[in-house]
Amino acid sequence: GEDVEQSLFLSVREGDSSVINCTYTDSSSTYLYWYKQEPGAGLQLLTYIFSNMDMKQDQRLTVLLNKKDKHLSLRIADTQTGDSAIYFCASKWTGNEKLTFGTGTRLTIIP
Amino acid sequence: ETGVTQSPTHLIKTRGQQVTLRCSSQSGHNTVSWYQQALGQGPQFIFQYYREEENGRGNFPPRFSGLQFPNYSSELNVNALELDDSALYLCASSSGAGAYEQYFGPGTRLTVT
Repeated sequence: GEDVEQSLFLSVREGDSSVINCTYTDSSSTYLYWYKQEPGAGLQLLTYIFSNMDMKQDQRLTVLLNKKDKHLSLRIADTQTGDSAIYFCASKWTGNEKLTFGTGTRLTIIP
Repeated sequence: ETGVTQSPTHLIKTRGQQVTLRCSSQSGHNTVSWYQQALGQGPQFIFQYYREEENGRGNFPPRFSGLQFPNYSSELNVNALELDDSALYLCASSSGAGAYEQYFGPGTRLTVT
């Protein structure tokens, strides 16, 4: 079955860029997502990318997709303390209703 | 525009009991998906409802069941609760059967003792 993998932890100094990585196994994944979860809260949809795109930029967020390597990354420019959270990568393919999530990357900001 | 809401926020139940969790979808959305998020894990898909019909199911036993109402709100019912059912239950609303953009509610934290 499909699988989505992420590293568990990332620490970044305030003001630097954060890069969170994700790999997925299902080559038929059509949509790839990034969600943010703050403590005790639900998931906030940050951005998503279609598999026919290589890059998507939205303000401080840049998503890069390497389909050949099945690798997705989320870059957060000028990381702030409010960016501290768990970031989940998720995949979905056309015709399938569910999102498949990774285990999440906990981003810690160092002042 | 109202976002996705869930009730209750927290719930404590005893093993063997039954529980009902509720979700109101975002205005204009007709699809609701339910996910279970165990501590330290990513959410796992339970099932999805589209226009009051089940539209897909994950690897959860039949004691997990659901409903969607004409106003597109939804319920998740879990019978014969087990300790491993302790988790955050999330619902997500979206538009259409494809459910490409899923917006999540704050979740219900269920503790089974």
